[in-house]
Amino acid sequence: NAGVMQNPRHLVRRRGQEARLRCSPMKGHSHVYWYRQLPEEGLKFMVYLQKENIIDESGMPKERFSAEFPKEGPSILRIQQVVRGDSAAYFCASSQNGRDDEQFFGPGTRLTVL
Amino acid sequence: ELKVEQNPLFLSMQEGKNYTIYCNYSTTSDRLYWYRQDPGKSLESLFVLLSNGAVKQEGRLMASLDTKARLSTLHITAAVHDLSATYFCAVGRPDKLIFGTGTRLQVFP
Repeated sequence: NAGVMQNPRHLVRRRGQEARLRCSPMKGHSHVYWYRQLPEEGLKFMVYLQKENIIDESGMPKERFSAEFPKEGPSILRIQQVVRGDSAAYFCASSQNGRDDEQFFGPGTRLTVL
Repeated sequence: ELKVEQNPLFLSMQEGKNYTIYCNYSTTSDRLYWYRQDPGKSLESLFVLLSNGAVKQEGRLMASLDTKARLSTLHITAAVHDLSATYFCAVGRPDKLIFGTGTRLQVFP
C-alpha cells in the first residue's frame, strides 16, 4: 500500500511563473490537507479538501493560491505569479475519514523561487 | 486562536543523557501529536495522545499529556545519535492541526 505521493519533489520557478504541486493520497483516503513549512518553522495549515470540495481554506493566502481535488486524479495546489516569499516546503497529508482520523504525510515538494 | 509553543527550540545533548522537550498549548484540545522530521524529509508520526494522563512509550522516547495544564512532554532516555532530528508537537482537530515551532535535537558522542 503506497503512501502519500507528491510530485515534483523539487520545483524551481522564477518570479512571476506558476507552480503546480500534486498530491496523490493513500489508497482509500478521500481527505487531503496541504501544509506549508517555511525554513526553520513548523508546518502551517493551508487547506483541507475532500473529493470535489474545499472543506476549510482558512489557511490559504487570499490571492494567487488555489487548491482542488477533482473526482479523478491527484489534488493540485496551484500558486500563480510566484514570489520569493513562496519558497518553502509544501506537504500534503491524507486521511481516510476526515475529522476523527490521523493524517499521513507525503514527502513534500520543495519550491524554490529565483 | 490556538497557539502551540515548544521549548527548547534547540537542544544539543550528549549520548547517554536524558532530557525533556515541552509542548504548551493555549486552548483546550482533544488530542496531541508528536512527529519527527529528519532534514529534507517528511514527518513521521511518533505518538497520538488522546486523553488526560495518557502516556506512551516507544524505545527511548516517552510522551505524556496533561490536558489540565495544557502541556505535553517528550522525554528522551539515554539519547543516541540516531535520535538527532527535529521534533514537532501538534494539537487540534485532526483536520486542522496546529504545529509547534519544533525542537531541533542534536545528539553528539
